[in-house]
Amino acid sequence: DGGITQSPKYLFRKEGQNVTLSCEQNLNHDAMYWYRQDPGQGLRLIYYSQIVNDFQKGDIAEGYSVSREKKESFPLTVTSAQKNPTAFYLCATEITGNYGYTFGSGTRLTVV
Amino acid sequence: QKEVEQNSGPLSVPEGAIASLNCTYSDRGSQSFFWYRQYSGKSPELIMFIYSNGDKEDGRFTAQLNKASQYVSLLIRDSQPSDSATYLCAVNRGGNQFYFGTGTSLTVIP
Repeated sequence: DGGITQSPKYLFRKEGQNVTLSCEQNLNHDAMYWYRQDPGQGLRLIYYSQIVNDFQKGDIAEGYSVSREKKESFPLTVTSAQKNPTAFYLCATEITGNYGYTFGSGTRLTVV
Repeated sequence: QKEVEQNSGPLSVPEGAIASLNCTYSDRGSQSFFWYRQYSGKSPELIMFIYSNGDKEDGRFTAQLNKASQYVSLLIRDSQPSDSATYLCAVNRGGNQFYFGTGTSLTVIP
């Protein structure tokens, strides 16, 4: 089955710790995205990548980092510089701008 | 001004009624428009997209686009309890980035 796999589903982070969220796709889509969803704020773009070894900052990139070493994978690292990381993180892919996103199942990150 | 605005609701309709969800957008150059459904605790799933003025129907769902007035709506006919979810409107201005509204919560009452 083609799709997007995000792992883990739930993640707990201690203060000052870096954590990495995994996103893997077998849809052969070029573009991949990371969004953050907070209650009442909708989806906000963190980073996106349209091609391997290239990525751009979104609206809220501070405190996050990404890599795109292969087409199938776009991991997101939440660094200790991100002061309010508790949120639902969504990875998405798409073919072009006209057909919409396909979303992964999400990772719920909580600071403990 | 936000890129995309939606009434957060909650919107409640009885089972079998028509649910009407509305969305406005700020950039007149926006090119494509999308509706996603998101169940509580789950990720969004695409249900409709529309590019041209007018109506587009898919089963019980109809998307309506009016570029002159900069609004897009989603009608759900014969609403079912399984339609209870948050509906997100998204707009593409060209390129790969989409802008999302905050969503409208819909409850269908049996």
